[in-house]
Amino acid sequence: AQSVTQPDIHITVSEGASLELRCNYSYGATPYLFWYVQSPGQGLQLLLKYFSGDTLVQGIKGFEAEFKRSQSSFNLRKPSVHWSDAAEYFCAVGMFSGGYNKLIFGAGTRLAVHP
Amino acid sequence: EAGVTQFPSHSVIEKGQTVTLRCDPISGHDNLYWYRRVMGKEIKFLLHFVKESKQDESGMPNNRFLAERTGGTYSTLKVQPAELEDSGVYFCASSQDHGSETQYFGPGTRLLVL
Repeated sequence: AQSVTQPDIHITVSEGASLELRCNYSYGATPYLFWYVQSPGQGLQLLLKYFSGDTLVQGIKGFEAEFKRSQSSFNLRKPSVHWSDAAEYFCAVGMFSGGYNKLIFGAGTRLAVHP
Repeated sequence: EAGVTQFPSHSVIEKGQTVTLRCDPISGHDNLYWYRRVMGKEIKFLLHFVKESKQDESGMPNNRFLAERTGGTYSTLKVQPAELEDSGVYFCASSQDHGSETQYFGPGTRLLVL
């Protein structure tokens, strides 16, 4: 069955430190992969997506993610975290075949940023 | 361009009552989706409209949930009667084309059933 695993429920980093949020997926076909962020009181905002091509994708707010097929991973990274990055981050895989058109989400990783 | 909007932002009702959630997609988006996040768990797919037709309603939990999209514009999701386990955040999303198009999400409706 298709699934997305985000192993870290909570992560705390210091402002200015680097960040990596892990995401592993299980999907039989070529995956369409997404990272969304939900800031407090806000909806889900798309950070970046991978459909094909270059496996390192750049997103908004200085985020990037790397697709590694051999590891079934799509980890999100940022070289220097800002206090405003404190939010909940969701990895998702898109099911867009076989008559389906939906996203399967991981459980989310809540990021806290210390000053 | 206005994004996806949802109303109300919050709703508190008692068990057994009825609640109707509304979603207005981005103008011109034929695809509209409902998702739900219960008790801090995963965000889960409920159903997908293409214009006014239900394309996939495999995620609807039971027949207490009724979704409509009359005229292919806004959509409503009615829960009748509401149960305690229906509490959560209900997200709506829309996309322009069928397939791998990006889904744009609304802010969600936070539903609490007491």
